[in-house]
Amino acid sequence: EVQLVQSGAEVKKPGESLRISCKGSGYSFTSYWISWVRQMPGKGLEWMGRIDPSDSYTNYSPSFEGHVTISADKSISTAYLQWSSLKASDTAMYYCARHTVSGPRYFDLWGRGTLVTVSS
Amino acid sequence: DIQMTQSPSSLSASVGDRVTITCRASQSISNYLHWYQQKPGTAPKLLIYAASSLQSGVPSRFSGTGSGTDFTLTISSLQPEDFATYYCQQTYSAPWTFGQGTKVEIK
Repeated sequence: EVQLVQSGAEVKKPGESLRISCKGSGYSFTSYWISWVRQMPGKGLEWMGRIDPSDSYTNYSPSFEGHVTISADKSISTAYLQWSSLKASDTAMYYCARHTVSGPRYFDLWGRGTLVTVSS
Repeated sequence: DIQMTQSPSSLSASVGDRVTITCRASQSISNYLHWYQQKPGTAPKLLIYAASSLQSGVPSRFSGTGSGTDFTLTISSLQPEDFATYYCQQTYSAPWTFGQGTKVEIK
């Protein structure tokens, strides 16, 4: 089955670090890019950035650059989203999604999401 | 950044109604416009890509039109399972951006 499987929900304190994951299966992981999308409680979708798993080239939205790090390990078909110092405002659902490298680049496969709660 | 503006933000409709949602881009995005459906507690689902192409497995009552700056998503006959929030997205120019969403509710 073609799918993206995300890691489980996390509860963290402000200032803590965190890495969440997104594992692809059923398709050639290096043939598609992976994007991360944030959805804050009751709000809309925000694109955070993308990675090419074949060479780990990344692009970030200016809104998120410097606050998160996107990485990938193609040997285990897994992409990551990482924070070095969480804030309460990072509380949100985070989705990974795959898209083609060229052409319209639509998000045709999504993970189920990882809920991150940051609270003291 | 390219701003995506959807209208309306919400609407109430009955089963069987024809529903149209509009998405406007702040600059031309060719046909790099996609529509997603999201139901509460679930991930978004791709409905339409490249403005007018129906994603595999999506019912034919969904259709998309437009190019440049103005786009529409139409549901020809609203079904109970269509009550959800719909988002447009542009992938013409990074940072890729989504519309604010349109919530379709039961009348």
